[in-house]
Amino acid sequence: TQLLEQSPQFLSIQEGENLTVYCNSSSVFSSLQWYRQEPGEGPVLLVTVVTGGEVKKLKRLTFQFGDARKDSSLHITAAQTGDTGLYLCAGRMTTDSWGKLQFGAGTQVVVTP
Amino acid sequence: NAGVTQTPKFQVLKTGQSMTLQCAQDMNHNSMYWYRQDPGMGLRLIYYSASEGTTDKGEVPNGYNVSRLNKREFSLRLESAAPSQTSVYFCASSELRGYGYTFGSGTRLTVV
Repeated sequence: TQLLEQSPQFLSIQEGENLTVYCNSSSVFSSLQWYRQEPGEGPVLLVTVVTGGEVKKLKRLTFQFGDARKDSSLHITAAQTGDTGLYLCAGRMTTDSWGKLQFGAGTQVVVTP
Repeated sequence: NAGVTQTPKFQVLKTGQSMTLQCAQDMNHNSMYWYRQDPGMGLRLIYYSASEGTTDKGEVPNGYNVSRLNKREFSLRLESAAPSQTSVYFCASSELRGYGYTFGSGTRLTVV
């Protein structure tokens, strides 16, 4: 059982459409990070959110951390083919004194021309 | 370019063989990690190291050993490979524990 549940598992959309990816847990996190992974490569950090209710924008990507710090969402506006990839959320649990990251299983996003 | 370097990129082993996956980072990061990535299961932590000379077990350590040789290098050893260890292995490092990981490009390991 994944500590962090991501939905949907797979998303296929056309260029120009909007999409939202969700990351949910019953645990509280001190911070939550989003990564994007392309085939044959390691994940690359997109953003870190640390405050409940926080919203961060990275060009066409908007990240939100839930008020209770148990969930997060990633919204992409006007998707482009370059947004194709596996999106992973990762959380640092408040109960983990060392601060290891727990990863979700990922959402595979495919943007077609 | 600065980052995390993993070798080899691909490896095929027979059941029972041993091998060491190498990882080096040049960002002067204190913490280093080994993860495995399997379809539908995400990244699972095998071992981690807070600093040179210290290592700790993660979520799935059985069948693996690690060595933090110095601040730069963190190796992962499979003593007797099993088909269940077929996976993609990623090494990562971070300046602060649990924040802003930098990942290597991975080692795709197949055990037959």
